[in-house]
Amino acid sequence: AQSVTQLDSQVPVFEEAPVELRCNYSSSVSVYLFWYVQYPNQGLQLLLKYLSGSTLVESINGFEAEFNKSQTSFHLRKPSVHISDTAEYFCAVSGPGAGGTSYGKLTFGQGTILTVHP
Amino acid sequence: DTGVSQNPRHKITKRGQNVTFRCDPISEHNRLYWYRQTLGQGPEFLTYFQNEAQLEKSRLLSDRFSAERPKGSFSTLEIQRTEQGDSAMYLCASRGLAGGIHEQYFGPGTRLTVT
Repeated sequence: AQSVTQLDSQVPVFEEAPVELRCNYSSSVSVYLFWYVQYPNQGLQLLLKYLSGSTLVESINGFEAEFNKSQTSFHLRKPSVHISDTAEYFCAVSGPGAGGTSYGKLTFGQGTILTVHP
Repeated sequence: DTGVSQNPRHKITKRGQNVTFRCDPISEHNRLYWYRQTLGQGPEFLTYFQNEAQLEKSRLLSDRFSAERPKGSFSTLEIQRTEQGDSAMYLCASRGLAGGIHEQYFGPGTRLTVT
């Protein structure tokens, strides 16, 4: 079984400050890792993903996340946040489903609400 | 590509009534997922379809819940004899065979309130 823990339920920051949203996962098999973002009154959108290869992945809007296998972490970072980054962020993993078949179902963390203040 | 759509967006029903939600995936996507999200929690997996076949169901999906995907296109999720604990956001996601093969595209969700 897989599980995801997002260590902070809420993170308030000021505009242009750096931010880190923490995510740890537990799995007995190799996983794929994702960060999804949910803006107010909108659906979930994929922010970035780690499937294989370079452990540092980046999004088009300045976020990055680093896969750390030894610490089973996939923390999300941004060096300078904007008001428009205010949203809820979800870390998720996927891996083999029932019978070892990879159905790609996602296991999500509880979410972190990022609030950027002017 | 108009994205994943879900209807209705909001549903208020009285305890004991039956409700049905619809999900229209991205047209070329053959894989479809249902999730449930309660307040303050991340989405939880409910069930998975590949084409018209329902290949996996979560233990969260009690006997009162049934999902179908006739002809491998749209999907419906029905809840019979609703309970207050069923109040949640029900999310649908779809995924294709190639190109972003591990990316699920989510619909806006159906918010169910059981009074």
